[in-house]
Amino acid sequence: GAGVSQSPSNKVTEKGKDVELRCDPISGHTALYWYRQRLGQGLEFLIYFQGNSAPDKSGLPSDRFSAERTGESVSTLTIQRTQQEDSAVYLCASSGGASGGYTQYFGPGTRLTVL
Amino acid sequence: AQSVTQPDIHITVSEGASLELRCNYSYGATPYLFWYVQSPGQGLQLLLKYFSGDTLVQGIKGFEAEFKRSQSSFNLRKPSVHWSDAAEYFCAVGAPRGGANNLFFGTGTRLTVIP
Repeated sequence: GAGVSQSPSNKVTEKGKDVELRCDPISGHTALYWYRQRLGQGLEFLIYFQGNSAPDKSGLPSDRFSAERTGESVSTLTIQRTQQEDSAVYLCASSGGASGGYTQYFGPGTRLTVL
Repeated sequence: AQSVTQPDIHITVSEGASLELRCNYSYGATPYLFWYVQSPGQGLQLLLKYFSGDTLVQGIKGFEAEFKRSQSSFNLRKPSVHWSDAAEYFCAVGAPRGGANNLFFGTGTRLTVIP
């Protein structure tokens, strides 16, 4: 696709429910990243995938958070038993491709609100 | 460990005035450096990047940044600010690893432009 897309754009859920956030990277990009941005703060790295290598999960804040990626395409970030502190914008980015570029291109984000 | 400091949380400038946003980084090797801009409710848009070579890099929308290794800085500049430049600006340092490029972000500088 032309850019990184994310769905849904907004998600409101109740505390304790599970949510799934989706990211479609730029076609051909080998690396995919998830970040969390709390209100008024910078971006917090969560996880990244690079090709067929094991993902770097070092930024995941708890075992309630997990992510999967199918090959070099779609990724899903899952948050189980959501808590109010999970409320944030979740941003996805991708990079790489034929040129091997290191520049990350971001999607518009998913705004998650946990009531 | 990599880190980025943006010492100015909020800057207000008059339209037409010059702008400089500060960014200092900590990284043990030659860094990859980026500036992104985020308008309200939007994802991050890449303004410019530095990987190597000329230390003065030009970006989109009339922005430029200068890499100064001796000062561990990568300040963003614009000679004449437009009202549409009002946004949040993020500096980031990249740590290339295995073909990917994990980014560490500063906490951002919010720019307000007054008529």
